[in-house]
Amino acid sequence: QKEVEQNSGPLSVPEGAIASLNCTYSDRGSQSFFWYRQYSGKSPELIMFIYSNGDKEDGRFTAQLNKASQYVSLLIRDSQPSDSATYLCAVNDRNFNKFYFGSGTKLNVKP
Amino acid sequence: ETGVTQTPRHLVMGMTNKKSLKCEQHLGHNAMYWYKQSAKKPLELMFVYSLEERVENNSVPSRFSPECPNSSHLFLHLHTLQPEDSALYLCASSQDRDSYNEQFFGPGTRLTVL
Repeated sequence: QKEVEQNSGPLSVPEGAIASLNCTYSDRGSQSFFWYRQYSGKSPELIMFIYSNGDKEDGRFTAQLNKASQYVSLLIRDSQPSDSATYLCAVNDRNFNKFYFGSGTKLNVKP
Repeated sequence: ETGVTQTPRHLVMGMTNKKSLKCEQHLGHNAMYWYKQSAKKPLELMFVYSLEERVENNSVPSRFSPECPNSSHLFLHLHTLQPEDSALYLCASSQDRDSYNEQFFGPGTRLTVL
């Protein structure tokens, strides 16, 4: 069983729409959850982190965490073509020893 | 220089060569990491250093040998690699090795093993 699972996509949305990216994780004791964006040929950059159940908003981005369902999502409002990238979900294990990444979801925002 | 830098950015080596990857962070962080990113696979954590001590070795083959001479520098020494070791090798750093610390990534070294 993979520690972190994401749909590889590609997820295609029109410009201005809401993009919804999803991630599930296997370790129920995981404490913190991160979303990274990775443009083609570039290194990952952090968008948001969340560690409490509920929603956390930052500009056009909203992270949602449901620990009971072991599910974390990222919503991107008013999607722009510049948001086209691969989005990586990352989860820290219960002992804070390991950082597990999902394979990423490729997002295409069409003008 | 700011952030996390890596050299070289691209490396082509034969299976019998010995080479080293270098990472330097200018953020005053205490933890540094090596990751391997292969096509269509998740980022794989290879090594973790905290305050210059190795705290994690994620079952990495011995042909990869890390070195952390101080909190700002991290090396990955490579020898007798295999073609399947071709990948993007990413270095990252964080303030400390705890749950809520953001990891900052370097640009990576694209390694090709012939």
